Amino acid sequence: QSALTQPASVSGSPGQSISISCTGTSSDVGGYNYVSWYQQHPDKAPKLIIYAVINRPSGVSNRFSGSKSGNTASLTISGLLAEDEADYYCSSYTSFTTRVFGTGTKVTVL
Amino acid sequence: QVHVVQSGAEVKKPGASVKVSCQASGYTFTDYNIHWVRQAPGQGLEWVGWIAPNSGATCFAQSFQGRVTMTRDTSITTVYMELSGLTSDDTGIYYCMPWFGERADSWGQGTLVTVSS
Repeated sequence: QSALTQPASVSGSPGQSISISCTGTSSDVGGYNYVSWYQQHPDKAPKLIIYAVINRPSGVSNRFSGSKSGNTASLTISGLLAEDEADYYCSSYTSFTTRVFGTGTKVTVL
Repeated sequence: QVHVVQSGAEVKKPGASVKVSCQASGYTFTDYNIHWVRQAPGQGLEWVGWIAPNSGATCFAQSFQGRVTMTRDTSITTVYMELSGLTSDDTGIYYCMPWFGERADSWGQGTLVTVSS
């Protein structure tokens, strides 16, 4: 199972919106509505920010939103804040009942 | 609320095995699979596998098959991950977390495993 493909880095200015893509195959991202997104600050455990493509856990800002089209899922961060600077990972259920993570994206707030 | 506590850091020599524990509480332990994820230093997240606490059934990533074992003790709501044949490539932080359907929002604090001669 190959890792899902994410851009290595994305940047934006405070207040802007950015999007991070997560590309897989029909055996993972495209085949199921089970894509999650995690935010990880340095030396911290990952934090779930989106699950089942579009759902936000309680307490997560509505500035984070998820979507999916075909084999590609996307995370959008609107109204970018300095605190959003972190690494972001997608993950997906797969046809083998396993899970697979994305390669990770470093978000920089300019 | 859900609480997940892992065992402490380990230092192992190449070729040895390591066993990491993960105690989960605050929900019905046998109702949800527990997954393990690894993060090598400066690297991304890598899914290791899951165990179903009610039956003991397991599923592993292909890259770990043959070297990883997962077990559970329902009396103390704890699961264990044992990795054998350690190499320096196995150095990293190992996280466990219950997966509530497709929602994994309660991660353990992580266990650092260092493999060094």
